[in-house]
Amino acid sequence: VQLQQWGAGLLKPSETLSLTCAVYGGSFSDYHWSWIRQSPGKGLEWIGDINHSGTPNYNPSLKSRFTISVDTSKNQFSLKLGSVTAADTALYYCARKSCTRTTCYRRPFDYWGQGTLVTVSS
Amino acid sequence: EIVLTQSPGTLSLSPGERATLSCRASQSVSSTYLAWYQQKPGQAPNLLIYDASSRATGIPDRFSGSGSGTDFTLTIDRLEPEDSAVYYCQQYGSSPWTFGQGTKVEIK
Repeated sequence: VQLQQWGAGLLKPSETLSLTCAVYGGSFSDYHWSWIRQSPGKGLEWIGDINHSGTPNYNPSLKSRFTISVDTSKNQFSLKLGSVTAADTALYYCARKSCTRTTCYRRPFDYWGQGTLVTVSS
Repeated sequence: EIVLTQSPGTLSLSPGERATLSCRASQSVSSTYLAWYQQKPGQAPNLLIYDASSRATGIPDRFSGSGSGTDFTLTIDRLEPEDSAVYYCQQYGSSPWTFGQGTKVEIK
């Protein structure tokens, strides 16, 4: 299983952050897919998950600023954040939630993308 | 949300020694839904332990996890130079899933 992510790394304040993660190997529809960011100030911060049906689950602490979507035809999922500020500067990771036969909800992250550094600066 | 506090901040040990890392939760983590990750510079976190004590695929048995409720421990036996990394705990029992701030393990 490999997760390969891409997207713009340098944004100006008020622009939109857009990242995509492609999944190679494994069964895309059998898992949930996540976005996590890491910054010196806040450490590792879970942004949200999505399943293959497109049902998202967001971190309420982030006040629903993010949108996660899925394209099962391409085995890809995406993250969008509008009106970025300097506080959104971070290393963004996509990740897979490991699933059992019965649940994908309370599960750890077993595969990660390589990370995309997003810097917001005027 | 559950806040995870890891200690110590940095651990400096010699090869062959044992490392004991602590993760304390602000409230009980249901059903031991706690994981440990290892992160080396320039790399993504790598899952070591899940469900508090189960080793992930390919993880050597030098790594072990224990604990329940609010207190969890990661133990690394017979430290090797390649164990130098930052280690994070993460709870997935109560949304939002949260991470500790990390413990840096240095090998002398």
